Amino acid sequence: EPEVTQTPSHQVTQMGQEVILRCVPISNHLYFYWYRQILGQKVEFLVSFYNNEISEKSEIFDDQFSVERPDGSNFTLKIRSTKLEDSAMYFCASRAGTGTTEAFFGQGTRLTVV
Amino acid sequence: KQEVTQIPAALSVPEGENLVLNCSFTDSAIYNLQWFRQDPGKGLTSLLLIQSSQREQTSGRLNASLDKSSGRSTLYIAASQPGDSATYLCAVGLGGYSTLTFGKGTMLLVSP
Repeated sequence: EPEVTQTPSHQVTQMGQEVILRCVPISNHLYFYWYRQILGQKVEFLVSFYNNEISEKSEIFDDQFSVERPDGSNFTLKIRSTKLEDSAMYFCASRAGTGTTEAFFGQGTRLTVV
Repeated sequence: KQEVTQIPAALSVPEGENLVLNCSFTDSAIYNLQWFRQDPGKGLTSLLLIQSSQREQTSGRLNASLDKSSGRSTLYIAASQPGDSATYLCAVGLGGYSTLTFGKGTMLLVSP
């Protein structure tokens, strides 16, 4: 069964360093998303991506964040200068379409900023 | 701003019981509603998707209903098993790109 794949599963980084989280969405999907979940809190929307551009973003997704689909299969989230409060589980998701189709999530990348 | 609330926050039941998890949302202008399962430290597994025009969806022992006008959804789990122990998340899809707004979840423990 097709699935969304995320790497790495866990990343530890020092405050101020850049990190890149990687995702391979399901191959025929068109809509891509990043969400995050701080420990003990709700899953929060960060950004959606369609047709090679950002379609929506939340207040959390500030200038420190960027997304890219560099090669037609990977979908990446970059955090330029990590802060302690960026520590969270980051989930990638994809959909084939919008309102009538399911969102499928990856297993997540646990980011720990020290 | 859409708010999603799930009640109860935690639930402990003996194996075999039928149970109902509740989800409410403040803005009825949703595109869809999706129920997920999350095991500790793991990703989100999609259980059921209900489109805004539908009233319910069924998958095996799971049945989800949607009452858009009252801003409510329920997830019914029949004949619960210890393997059902997990956190169940409700999420509503909004806007043209169906971004999801999540509730905090109901943590379910089914004891043998």
